[in-house]
Amino acid sequence: GQQLNQSPQSMFIQEGEDVSMNCTSSSIFNTWLWYKQDPGEGPVLLIALYKAGELTSNGRLTAQFGITRKDSFLNISASIPSDVGIYFCAGPPHFGNEKLTFGTGTRLTIIP
Amino acid sequence: DVKVTQSSRYLVKRTGEKVFLECVQDMDHENMFWYRQDPGLGLRLIYFSYDVKMKEKGDIPEGYSVSREKKERFSLILESASTNQTSMYLCASSLGRTGFEAFFGQGTRLTVV
Repeated sequence: GQQLNQSPQSMFIQEGEDVSMNCTSSSIFNTWLWYKQDPGEGPVLLIALYKAGELTSNGRLTAQFGITRKDSFLNISASIPSDVGIYFCAGPPHFGNEKLTFGTGTRLTIIP
Repeated sequence: DVKVTQSSRYLVKRTGEKVFLECVQDMDHENMFWYRQDPGLGLRLIYFSYDVKMKEKGDIPEGYSVSREKKERFSLILESASTNQTSMYLCASSLGRTGFEAFFGQGTRLTVV
């Protein structure tokens, strides 16, 4: 099946730093979703993007739907300890397809 | 809030056993999914159901089957568990047609010994 490439695979940052991660695809996506997974739990939806160029915020999180429709970006400002976890991008690979393809994830660790 | 509940958080089974993983959602969602999560591989789709008794294979269906007799319940079956099926299993549901956003259960960590 199609895969989404996320980078970086892992990040080690200090509390208070800003975080940027991205997700790329070889084909066009019409919807981009960003999820966060806490250790030992299921992923939780953070932000949904539906239109090329769209910029959406959820608190300290901001996500963008790339203009080419082949990528998306997630930024976290002023990171705090509870931001630790794995961040996944996801989307339906074809228009009208209701199955989601997931990226390989970015693991965020905050150094005390 | 959507609630997706998986029957077990942790399971330990023996090689060759038949294993049932159960999932229930309470929001009348059309679609239900089973994913498998392994380190470095992200979430891989095992099976997808878009209606009662309807199912579609995902990317890695080998060694698994599913059952959806009622809209709210989606079961994943390991016909004969093997050690390479040790993994985290995640169930999800989505509205369907007008809503792609998937909502996940808490996950079942299965160990096959």
